Amino acid sequence: QVQLKESGPGLVQPSQTLSLTCTVSGLSLTSNSVSWIRQPPGKGLEWMGVIWSNGGTDYNSAIKSRLSISRDTSKSQVFLKMNSLQTEDTAMYFCASKGDYWGQGVMVTVSS
Amino acid sequence: NIVMTQSPKSMSISVGDRVTMNCKASQNVYNNIAWYQQKPGQSPKLLIYYASNRYNGVPDRFTGSGYGTDFTLTINSVQAEDAAFYYCQRIYNSPFTFGSGTKLEIK
Repeated sequence: QVQLKESGPGLVQPSQTLSLTCTVSGLSLTSNSVSWIRQPPGKGLEWMGVIWSNGGTDYNSAIKSRLSISRDTSKSQVFLKMNSLQTEDTAMYFCASKGDYWGQGVMVTVSS
Repeated sequence: NIVMTQSPKSMSISVGDRVTMNCKASQNVYNNIAWYQQKPGQSPKLLIYYASNRYNGVPDRFTGSGYGTDFTLTINSVQAEDAAFYYCQRIYNSPFTFGSGTKLEIK
């Protein structure tokens, strides 16, 4: 069956770079897009960006300057890198394929 | 940038009642809308895609409608397990913007 699983550090210092990995099984990255979505504690969902099946990317304009999404199709992994982190970037980070399949999310806290 | 506005922000409904919540897009999105249900501590679950198509296994008490800029999610005969947050999202074309959500409480 299809599974997506996020992994990465739970704690990041302010001004540092966040690196997250989404490991996908049961789904081909060359046939399916993967998005990153985040959700601050007690708040709503924010779409961050997508990597398309052809490897192209689109980003939320509000965070585009800080965000990069890439992938390794041989490992079936999608990566998120976001720099200049601030406390307001504290959130649960999800990866999802279309709307059907979501990971469980990984909580990231930005704090010194 | 497209903005998705959901209303109301919250509602409190009795079991068996019918509930309607709304999602308004700031520009024409045709039928490119999905609806999700999210319960505390869980990932969102897809309910409706392309405005009116019920996803696999979603009870038929959930119905989506609308086209263009105005969309509605209706739950007929609400059950206790429907207590959750509900989000709309533009799909098919990026940015895949989410609405701010509607909280459904059961009295």
